[in-house]
Amino acid sequence: DAKTTQPTSMDCAEGRAANLPCNHSTISGNEYVYWYRQIHSQGPQYIIHGLKNNETNEMASLIITEDRKSSTLILPHATLRDTAVYYCIVRVAGNYGQNFVFGPGTRLSALP
Amino acid sequence: EAGVAQSPRYKIIEKRQSVAFWCNPISGHATLYWYQQILGQGPKLLIQFQNNGVVDDSQLPKDRFSAERLKGVDSTLKIQPAKLEDSAVYLCASSLIPGVSPYNEQFFGPGTRLTVL
Repeated sequence: DAKTTQPTSMDCAEGRAANLPCNHSTISGNEYVYWYRQIHSQGPQYIIHGLKNNETNEMASLIITEDRKSSTLILPHATLRDTAVYYCIVRVAGNYGQNFVFGPGTRLSALP
Repeated sequence: EAGVAQSPRYKIIEKRQSVAFWCNPISGHATLYWYQQILGQGPKLLIQFQNNGVVDDSQLPKDRFSAERLKGVDSTLKIQPAKLEDSAVYLCASSLIPGVSPYNEQFFGPGTRLTVL
């Protein structure tokens, strides 16, 4: 079973920031938080990952709470192309004995 | 850089028939994964290869599903015989050798959509 819980769906206005929450209250000290997204009819795409510090790349920012029990993915300026299902996953990095377990994710709809 | 290639993109078969899917991972990626994604759900890992060896096939229904990666590059996933509940998208992904990549990012192909009638 997935170790994370996410809202089923969210809407955001185009041009505004989209904040996608994820709860992972049972996360272990050596588990990373990963975010992937899946646009309709495509395979999942890596977005970002983090351990305990906030992270930012060209796609998004990841804010992890100090107790690491939850995190938020931020898309700073959502566009219609960001409409997708977003998956939050926790796992140990580099350990091929523990694979990605995808939950149902959050369906984000960017609205014009 | 070429991505993960899969074929066919779509397949429609009748129950009890056989079907095979093909995957060519990104060049240099030693790890290859097959996932099953049922409509409305997240992908579920079926099998993971490290080069041509199986690392994890604990969720592969071995009575009807089989997979191989004979030369450690491309891979085939077969279903024989198919059931109605096998209707899903079958995704292939690849990654660098775990432990070498600091975060083991997986790159996914576009998937094969299977419909079993």
